Amino acid sequence: AQSVSQHNHHVILSEAASLELGCNYSYGGTVNLFWYVQYPGQHLQLLLKYFSGDPLVKGIKGFEAEFIKSKFSFNLRKPSVQWSDTAEYFCAVNDPWGGSQGNLIFGKGTKLSVKP
Amino acid sequence: KAGVTQTPRYLIKTRGQQVTLSCSPISGHRSVSWYQQTPGQGLQFLFEYFSETQRNKGNFPGRFSGRQFSNSRSEMNVSTLELGDSALYLCASSLGSGLKNEQFFGPGTRLTVL
Repeated sequence: AQSVSQHNHHVILSEAASLELGCNYSYGGTVNLFWYVQYPGQHLQLLLKYFSGDPLVKGIKGFEAEFIKSKFSFNLRKPSVQWSDTAEYFCAVNDPWGGSQGNLIFGKGTKLSVKP
Repeated sequence: KAGVTQTPRYLIKTRGQQVTLSCSPISGHRSVSWYQQTPGQGLQFLFEYFSETQRNKGNFPGRFSGRQFSNSRSEMNVSTLELGDSALYLCASSLGSGLKNEQFFGPGTRLTVL
């Protein structure tokens, strides 16, 4: 069955540091990939998504992610983090056997703490 | 445009009871999905409804059920509650049920089972 791994449980960075959060999925077929963010006390919201085309995807708030099919990876990056980026980040993939986006498979999440 | 709303926001029940959670999708959205979020298991897909029909179901016991009404509002029900059902239950809505429809999440209902 499809699964998603996020390698870091908790990342602590200082402001202006660069960020890269790892995400790997297990199924090697056609997948749709997502990064969601949950700011403290707020709803899950979509940061960016990849369906097809350019493997470098740009999202909101300066985030980007690169899809590397050969590595089954979809890592999230930001060149310079801000204190306001403190949040929990979730990688997700659609379940291709489900035939519906309802079958999002989520990673366990990575908590990012940015020190001012 | 109002977002996804979930009621109640917090709920405390005891083992063996049943509970019903409600979700109102964004106006015009016809698909509603439910997820369970726990510290140990993370976010897990429960089921998806589109046009009052269950389209997909995750790997949860039959105690978990749901339905969708003609106005796209959805309810999920958990019968014979167990301690392990304590979780944040999230609802997400999207315009359609295809692979490329973005899901918008609600704030969740925090269920505590004592």
